Formats: sequence, C-alpha cells, structure tokens
Amino acid sequence: QKEVEQNSGPLSVPEGAIASLNCTYSDRVSQSFFWYRQYSGKSPELIMSIYSNGDKEDGRFTAQLNKASQYVSLLIRDSQPSDSATYLCAVNDSNYQLIWGAGTKLIIKP
Amino acid sequence: GAGVSQSPRYKVAKRGQDVALRCDPISGHVSLFWYQQALGQGPEFLTYFQNEAQLDKSGLPSDRFFAERPEGSVSTLKIQRTQQEDSAVYLCASSGLGAGDFSGANVLTFGAGSRLTVL
Repeated sequence: QKEVEQNSGPLSVPEGAIASLNCTYSDRVSQSFFWYRQYSGKSPELIMSIYSNGDKEDGRFTAQLNKASQYVSLLIRDSQPSDSATYLCAVNDSNYQLIWGAGTKLIIKP
Repeated sequence: GAGVSQSPRYKVAKRGQDVALRCDPISGHVSLFWYQQALGQGPEFLTYFQNEAQLDKSGLPSDRFFAERPEGSVSTLKIQRTQQEDSAVYLCASSGLGAGDFSGANVLTFGAGSRLTVL
C-alpha cells in the first residue's frame, strides 16, 4: 500500500515567520512530487512541483526533496494570513496516479 | 474552456436517488481524473480516462458508481441509489498529456468540485 503521510495540524505560525510543512512517502520509486494548496470549500491548486533532490524556489515558496530519506517539504517565507489553507502533498510513481496525503492545515496568525 | 468546469456545484439527494455529476475539462486535455474528497481528507482516486478510454476504474467504491467520457471531452460521473456514505466533494481534474507523465506542464488542474450531500 503506497502511502503519503502528513501531519494534519493545525500548524499555527505568526505572520512574517517561516512556515515549514513536511511530507513523507513510502514508495521509493516515486518520481514526481507536488504541493497543492486548498482553501476551505475550494479545489486544490498547484503551488510547487519538484522532481530532483535538493531545493526549488519560487517566490516565497521553497520545495525541498530528499529521496534517500523519502521526504518532501514546503517552506513558506514571510507568511501571510492569505497563506492560511490546507496544504496537500501528492506523489507520483511510474503510474499515472497521484497518491495524496490528507493535508496539513496551516494557520497564519496576524 | 479556460479551466475545468464542474456542475452542479452543490447537490442534495435523498437516499436512494440517482445523481449525475458533470465535468468539462480544459479543451484538448487528454487525461481526466475523478476524485472523491471527504472532509479533512486528501482526494481519493476514483477513475481515470485517457481520451474516451476508461483506463482505470479501480477506485470506484461500488458498482453503483459509473463514469463515462464518450467523446473524449466532457465526462459524467453517475451514482445510482445514493447512500449517506456517498456524501463528499467529487473533484474532476484534467491534464494535457497522456498517462504516466506528470513532469513539466503536465500537472493536474482541478475543477471547483461538486459537493454531494445525501440525506
């Protein structure tokens, strides 16, 4: 059974601080990794994708991948109240399916 | 269209009723997925189409669930004799390329979802 694990939270972070979200996955052959943001009552929207070990930065967001340890993380710098949402980690292996975590609820406190 | 369109956005059904949920993917997108999302959970895979071919329906919870995409564009998810446990948000997503490649631009774009409540 392929699994993607996330801490459900809520994770509370003061405005302006760095929010760190973590995700672990069970399938070693996983190749593609995604972070989606989902506001309450809305559909998931892609924030970051990462395919190779290391860091990938896009604006205030940095995705980090460590295939040896089978984890992927998302850092949000200068957190804003508008970043408050549930963050879903999704992992794809050689199949067409994405395996989803249950999401981490992030709350940015003004 | 510019995005993935789903209808209805909200559906309330009495237990035992049949429902049909529609998904209109981004024009030209080959792959179409249906997911079920319960409150506080991540999306759970239901079924996958590549053009008009339903390549995987292993996630459909029971034979009451049926999906089709007859012309390779619009898809319909039908649930017969709805039960309370069917209450969830049903998400449709599409991507531009074929199966097995989530790299580059071939990422999933989701519709707004159809929230089904079975009383």
